[in-house]
Amino acid sequence: QSALTQPRSVSGSPGQSVTISCTGTTSDVGGYNYVSWYQQHPGKAPKLMIYEVSKRPSGVPDRFSGSKSGNTASLTISGLQADDEADYYCCSYAGSPWVFGGGTTLTVL
Amino acid sequence: EVQLLESGGGLVQPGGSLRLSCAASGFTFSIYAMSWVRQAPGKGLEWVSIISGSGGSAYYADSVKGRFTISRDNSKNTLYLQMNSLRAEDTAVYYCAKVRSVDTAMDFQHWGQGTLVTVSS
Repeated sequence: QSALTQPRSVSGSPGQSVTISCTGTTSDVGGYNYVSWYQQHPGKAPKLMIYEVSKRPSGVPDRFSGSKSGNTASLTISGLQADDEADYYCCSYAGSPWVFGGGTTLTVL
Repeated sequence: EVQLLESGGGLVQPGGSLRLSCAASGFTFSIYAMSWVRQAPGKGLEWVSIISGSGGSAYYADSVKGRFTISRDNSKNTLYLQMNSLRAEDTAVYYCAKVRSVDTAMDFQHWGQGTLVTVSS
């Protein structure tokens, strides 16, 4: 149950796009289409942003999109806004256990 | 509106025990799987355990297997986490989380505000 690998930090200017990667193995990301992404602002609970690789829950802006290729999933945020500044975590089903990534801090410059 | 309210956190000595509770409202509790996810201070999220809606199936992370027990009382709309043989590395904010879908319990759409567990002498 090793954590999925995410970059520690990414940054972008308002209006730009950023992509956060999430690398796992064939036992998790590569083996299932059950990758989800969570946004967490400081001191707050996580919020589901993407589920099943690329689907958005109701209320999540279409600026947020997800994809997967092989053992790597990605979250892309377009049209960056100040409120997007937060920590982002990927998560994958791994056959009964679930495994999270280490988290990526997004800074909006 | 879905609401999840955790309680039971606090300071406990290494080797001690603690039981967390999560009171749920705003949805049909008994048909949704529920999970516990923790976050050590300044660290990332770590999945801990999940239980089916009926309570008949439960799974655990290797790091807590044999020490923690998840359970639920559907008559009280409450989720529990019994934590025994606590270690310093169990220090974290513990969140309860409701899965998004009854059919595919693979992601977590609703989260409580968390309860802090500190294991220290």
